Amino acid sequence: GAVVSQHPSWVICKSGTSVKIECRSLDFQATTMFWYRQFPKQSLMLMATSNEGSKATYEQGVEKDKFLINHASLTLSTLTVTSAHPEDSSFYICSARGPWGETQYFGPGTRLLVL
Amino acid sequence: QKEVEQNSGPLSVPEGAIASLNCTYSDRGSQSFFWYRQYSGKSPELIMFIYSNGDKEDGRFTAQLNKASQYVSLLIRDSQPSDSATYLCAVSGNTPLVFGKGTRLSVIA
Repeated sequence: GAVVSQHPSWVICKSGTSVKIECRSLDFQATTMFWYRQFPKQSLMLMATSNEGSKATYEQGVEKDKFLINHASLTLSTLTVTSAHPEDSSFYICSARGPWGETQYFGPGTRLLVL
Repeated sequence: QKEVEQNSGPLSVPEGAIASLNCTYSDRGSQSFFWYRQYSGKSPELIMFIYSNGDKEDGRFTAQLNKASQYVSLLIRDSQPSDSATYLCAVSGNTPLVFGKGTRLSVIA
């Protein structure tokens, strides 16, 4: 149980375009979802926390107008990287937490390359 | 600011040995503690969690918690080369878990 999927797993885009990444909880209702970014050989960096039906809470230094998060249902959250630039190239990982408590289950991640 | 500290490693152990990974945390009020494994290029996966002082065993893995010392550890018995990965300690926070930076484990065949 507690499976989280992400789509796409890989995306390559041109600078200036927008990219949408989906995160789905497949076998449970996710009360809260989290978005992380990880650069090569670095630790996880929390970007934002989202609860279904409410605005996301962004971590300090994360531009909310650049990284748009929508948590429209209890099984789906999306992260849109707007006007992507090469420095946005990274590994984006979502995680989800269900009603059982604090355990977070991670999706497989999305690798973004902005040319 | 809640903090979770781990030695970055690498921790090198020979195949078949016991690997011991340690973690300390700053918030004495933390209630839940987690160990995740992250292979290179992959996302973290949950290994186990522990809530109570003492030991919790799951196969080759044993988590140990000492709330008085604010210390959590993970023991991996009969280490295998496939255990080579970065191990992340996480502690319950206000909403998201607070993660350490991870310890890189290398099991030498």
